[in-house]
Amino acid sequence: EVQLVQSGAEVKKPGESLKISCKGSGYSFTSYWIGWVRQMPGKGLEWMGIIYPGDSDTRYSPSFQGQVTISADKSISTAYLQWSSLKASDTAMYYCARFSPCDYWGQGTLVTVSS
Amino acid sequence: QAVVTQEPSLTVSPGGTVTLTCGSSTGAVTSGHYPYWFQQKPGQAPRTLIYDTSNKHSWTPARFSGSLLGGKAALTLSGAQPEDEAEYYCLLSYSGARPYVFGTGTKVTVL
Repeated sequence: EVQLVQSGAEVKKPGESLKISCKGSGYSFTSYWIGWVRQMPGKGLEWMGIIYPGDSDTRYSPSFQGQVTISADKSISTAYLQWSSLKASDTAMYYCARFSPCDYWGQGTLVTVSS
Repeated sequence: QAVVTQEPSLTVSPGGTVTLTCGSSTGAVTSGHYPYWFQQKPGQAPRTLIYDTSNKHSWTPARFSGSLLGGKAALTLSGAQPEDEAEYYCLLSYSGARPYVFGTGTKVTVL
């Protein structure tokens, strides 16, 4: 059974760093892209970027380029989304999803940034 | 940067048919945009219904179908059920630095 399991909810202060994860199982992790999607409270879905764990080829939406870093560790079938300095506006639900084609989604990680 | 537009809201009667559309600011949507359709209910992760314009996953109810219609991607719901009440998003693939863009979303009410 294909599964994407994301790390738990986080509460952080502005300026702190954060790395959330998405662990794939039940399939060949290096053969599919993993994408990250943001959903701010009460808002729509926003495509952030994507990584191919097989060779770490990574693409970003211009809106998120330089704001976040997407990475993957294929030895443990896990993709990551990280921030070096969080802002209050990063408060959102973040989803990972398997791509090409997009089929399975993680359960989401709620990130709250508040002083 | 492309903007992908959907109807903000649509209402359908139980058992009725409704068509949602997905347009691109760059021009006609084609099969080369590999249109996706997702369903999201409150408090849940999105669920992929349609990929590559019209392909269904094993979990996609038969009452949902995807197509291209008048230069847009379209999702048709035939025989709406109360459980189909949700937000629906399309996703288009673009070449270049921004491979994917989500649509603005359509809230479907079954009433």
